[in-house]
Amino acid sequence: NAGVTQTPKFQVLKTGQSMTLQCAQDMNHEYMSWYRQDPGMGLRLIHYSVGAGITDQGEVPNGYNVSRSTTEDFPLRLLSAAPSQTSVYFCASNQATNTEAFFGQGTRLTVV
Amino acid sequence: RKEVEQDPGPFNVPEGATVAFNCTYSNSASQSFFWYRQDCRKEPKLLMSVYSSGNEDGRFTAQLNRASQYISLLIRDSKLSDSATYLCVVHREHDYKLSFGAGTTVTVRA
Repeated sequence: NAGVTQTPKFQVLKTGQSMTLQCAQDMNHEYMSWYRQDPGMGLRLIHYSVGAGITDQGEVPNGYNVSRSTTEDFPLRLLSAAPSQTSVYFCASNQATNTEAFFGQGTRLTVV
Repeated sequence: RKEVEQDPGPFNVPEGATVAFNCTYSNSASQSFFWYRQDCRKEPKLLMSVYSSGNEDGRFTAQLNRASQYISLLIRDSKLSDSATYLCVVHREHDYKLSFGAGTTVTVRA
């Protein structure tokens, strides 16, 4: 059972480049979300989706776009990478907002 | 003020010891509470939910104090494998967002 699959695991970008982080889940969860984790801080919500075709902003959405064309996939796009976006990114899915969140393995992104 | 605050530690304890730590939350409308475990450079995983009456899962005991707005986690008979960062997570009813603490690091030594 794959759960939440997130790719790539590591990425180095130059300032101004764009890229897409992929996230897929096979648990038929309606809720999916993207977080970033920085040292000394808790996970912060970037964007989330409550179902296919529905997305909304979290705490720190600037510089990121998302779409949810299917229940399974929830990609995160960095439009023009900046050093401040150097972080570890986690995708998560859950059946309901107050139930267990399952996380992907994370993407370590460095922007130089 | 952060919505969820934790003592970052680290808590360094010998095998077999008991270790306990708290997490405070600022929003009294918070409804659901969880402890997640995160190993170094890995994704968070649910350790246990926290119920109003308190609950145990093996060597782990979680407590909720709504009046003082904190939750606690106690680990008995610590094992080397308990070394990890423990994340306090809070959810408000009618809100999608989960609020994460920055984590408490526990290191169990032989």
